[in-house]
This record gives sequence, C-alpha cells and structure tokens, in this order.
Amino acid sequence: AQKVTQAQTEISVVEKEDVTLDCVYETRDTTYYLFWYKQPPSGELVFLIRRNSFDEQNEISGRYSWNFQKSTSSFNFTITASQVVDSAVYFCALSSGSARQLTFGSGTQLTVLP
Amino acid sequence: EPEVTQTPSHQVTQMGQEVILRCVPISNHLYFYWYRQILGQKVEFLVSFYNNEISEKSEIFDDQFSVERPDGSNFTLKIRSTKLEDSAMYFCASSGTSGLRDEQYFGPGTRLTVT
Repeated sequence: AQKVTQAQTEISVVEKEDVTLDCVYETRDTTYYLFWYKQPPSGELVFLIRRNSFDEQNEISGRYSWNFQKSTSSFNFTITASQVVDSAVYFCALSSGSARQLTFGSGTQLTVLP
Repeated sequence: EPEVTQTPSHQVTQMGQEVILRCVPISNHLYFYWYRQILGQKVEFLVSFYNNEISEKSEIFDDQFSVERPDGSNFTLKIRSTKLEDSAMYFCASSGTSGLRDEQYFGPGTRLTVT
C-alpha cells in the first residue's frame, strides 16, 4: 500500500516570504517516484517535478527547490521569495513499484498575500 | 508545446443518464489515465490504459465505468448510469514510456455535474 500525507491543509504567507510545503510518503517498494503538481484557481494540474528513489540529490529551479530525504520519507517543496501568482493548491504524489498510477496527497492550499 | 485536451469542459446530466468524457492525449504518449477530484478533495486514480487494454484500475472504477480508445487520438471515459456522487472534476492524463517513470501530463479537466 502506498500513502502520501500533506499535513498542512492551508498556509498563508505575505509576498516575498519563503514557504515550505511538507510531504511525507509511505511505500514498501524500493523503487518509487515522487512528484509535485500545482493546481491554480483555474483548476488544471501543472507538473512541477519528478524524483526517483535512487536520486536523493536536491533540486533547485528558479525560486523553487525540493528536499528529498529517504531517511525521513519526506519530499518537501520550498518556494523562495513567494509571489501572489504562487497562490494555488500544491499536491505531492507517489508512484511506486510496477504501478504507474499516482497516489496523491490531500494537497496544501497556499495563499500568498500582497 | 503539446498538451492534453478534454471535452467538454463542463457537462451537466441527470441521474441515471450515460455520459462520455473525451480526451486527446499527447500524440507520442502511450499510457493514458483517468483521475477524478471531488470538489475540495484530493485527486483520485480511476484507471490506466496501455496497448489497448486496462493496465490498472482502482476500486472506484466499477462496472458502471468503461474506457475506450476508439481511434488513434481519442481516449474516452464512459459512465453508464450516473449517480449524484459521480459529480466531480475528471482529469485525463498521458505519459511516455521511457525507462524512468515519466511524469503524467494532465488535461484541463471536465467538470461533471449530476442532478
């Protein structure tokens, strides 16, 4: 069985603050893939990043960075210098073993205030 | 940039009616998926499709659901006899087949309202 927990239901920050969104996953498989998706108010799901279980290297893309730690089964997402346009629901997702289906967390609603 | 498209964007139907939701995946992708998201809740997997057959399905995907790839471009989800609890946003997604687990690209969704 696989499970993704996003304990933060809602986060509100003021523009230019840094914010970290937490994601904790559970799987018995040694091979798995982790993803983050963004869902803006318009409703579509936008792919942000994919990580596989053999690559614990952290990644930075502009204002976005991801911290993958197998020891704590976490794949956290940090937005630096947040902007109003970052306001959205962010979903962490897991695909493990031979199954390609994504198991999503319940999402974190991020609101960035001007 | 290639994208997944879905039609219609919004479908209203009466309980007990059949609906067909349509998707055009990215052209060189070979894996196709349907997910649903009940308002305010998480995104849930329904079914995946590869090589003209279902490869995985969830417990949600019962006998009232079916999928089809009627031609080389469309991928459809049929709900035979809709129930009120089928009201949700339905997302189609597609992915490639490289050795790594490719990211799934999602369409804009079809909002299904069952009255």
